[in-house]
Amino acid sequence: EVQLVESGGDLVRPGGSLTLSCSASGFIFSNFGIHWVRQAPGKGLEYVSHISSNGRSTYYADSMKGRLSLSRDNSRNTVELHMSSLRLEDTALYYCVKGSPWGFYYFDSWGQGTPVTVSS
Amino acid sequence: EIVLTQSPVTLSLSPGERVTLSCRASQTVSGNYLAWYQHKPGQAPRLLIYGASMRAPGIPDRFSGSGSGPDFTLTISRLESEDFAVYYCQQQRAFGGGTKVEMK
Repeated sequence: EVQLVESGGDLVRPGGSLTLSCSASGFIFSNFGIHWVRQAPGKGLEYVSHISSNGRSTYYADSMKGRLSLSRDNSRNTVELHMSSLRLEDTALYYCVKGSPWGFYYFDSWGQGTPVTVSS
Repeated sequence: EIVLTQSPVTLSLSPGERVTLSCRASQTVSGNYLAWYQHKPGQAPRLLIYGASMRAPGIPDRFSGSGSGPDFTLTISRLESEDFAVYYCQQQRAFGGGTKVEMK
């Protein structure tokens, strides 16, 4: 069974930093891209970032560009999303998401999410 | 940047009814690269449809997708109680705003 388990969400002050982790199991981790999608309270889904299967390619949404760094360790089946200069509008539930065999941007498995609250 | 517009925003329906949700893309992406997700409160979103019309594994056949750029449709042939949720379309890095299917 595919499992994605996020951790690291917390309450942080504006301007602060946080590292989210995603631990994966149940599939060949090194074969799939991993994405992060967030949902702010009362809002829809927003694409945040991705890293390719081999870790050589990353993408960051314009809303968070310059404030994110995404890495993966294929030997440990983990992904880390480092977020800095956090803003009030970054408050959201952050989902770790797996790409599918049918396409890089088809998300066939999602974690339960880890909450990030940015507040003074 | 792709913008996806979903309509309607909310649908109030009863079990057994047929549901049609729309998604319009601001630009055409080759290969009908479009997915639909179901999202219930407190749960992770679930992939229903990929490639505009292909059901993901384990998805009941009452769910079907159709269309080609820029207009796509998700149809639920007979609404069941567990289908009340928010539905999102997605094309690459863009998500639509969602359609909430609620019980009348």
